Amino acid sequence: GAGVSQTPSNKVTEKGKYVELRCDPISGHTALYWYRQSLGQGPEFLIYFQGTGAADDSGLPNDRFFAVRPEGSVSTLKIQRTERGDSAVYLCASSLIHRGEAFFGQGTRLTVV
Amino acid sequence: SQELEQSPQSLIVQEGKNLTINCTSSKTLYGLYWYKQKYGEGLIFLMMLQKGGEEKSHEKITAKLDEKKQQSSLHITASQPSHAGIYLCGADPPAGNMLTFGGGTRLMVKP
Repeated sequence: GAGVSQTPSNKVTEKGKYVELRCDPISGHTALYWYRQSLGQGPEFLIYFQGTGAADDSGLPNDRFFAVRPEGSVSTLKIQRTERGDSAVYLCASSLIHRGEAFFGQGTRLTVV
Repeated sequence: SQELEQSPQSLIVQEGKNLTINCTSSKTLYGLYWYKQKYGEGLIFLMMLQKGGEEKSHEKITAKLDEKKQQSSLHITASQPSHAGIYLCGADPPAGNMLTFGGGTRLMVKP
């Protein structure tokens, strides 16, 4: 597709469950970012991939959060033992080069009940 | 860590009026981005500023980065309902990878 695609667009899960959020970046973009946005706030950085490797995961809040990008394209954000505080919109972005213009997906709205 | 403060937090203007949104950084800005976000949607890139004193325009939106590179303003001329949304400023850190965002300014334009 022409833009960054995120699936699902909405996810409702029960507390304690495991979820996976998918990001399909723009073809050829080597840099990929995950952000989390709570209601009424700006996006907060979670993790940055350059190619297949996580170049910076300093924004992941704890070890329940993990992300992969095995082939340098699609990325999956994984959250174990979800908590109600994990409810937020998870945004993915990609860019051709690091620090270049980043293109954002529509986000996945995660609700933990 | 770098912090970005946006003002105002929310703004309601009558269609046709001009408005300005400010973004102030606690540290020198090395790359300043302006994005627009509509409810339920992702961020749409508007402009990037890097040099002190730089000014860029796109349609009726103009963004400036001050000479000291610690503040940016976004100015909309003759606002329209299509300008409504959340405007976010984001900044590159001097080193590292974390793009930091301000809290956003929520703009409503009354027809």
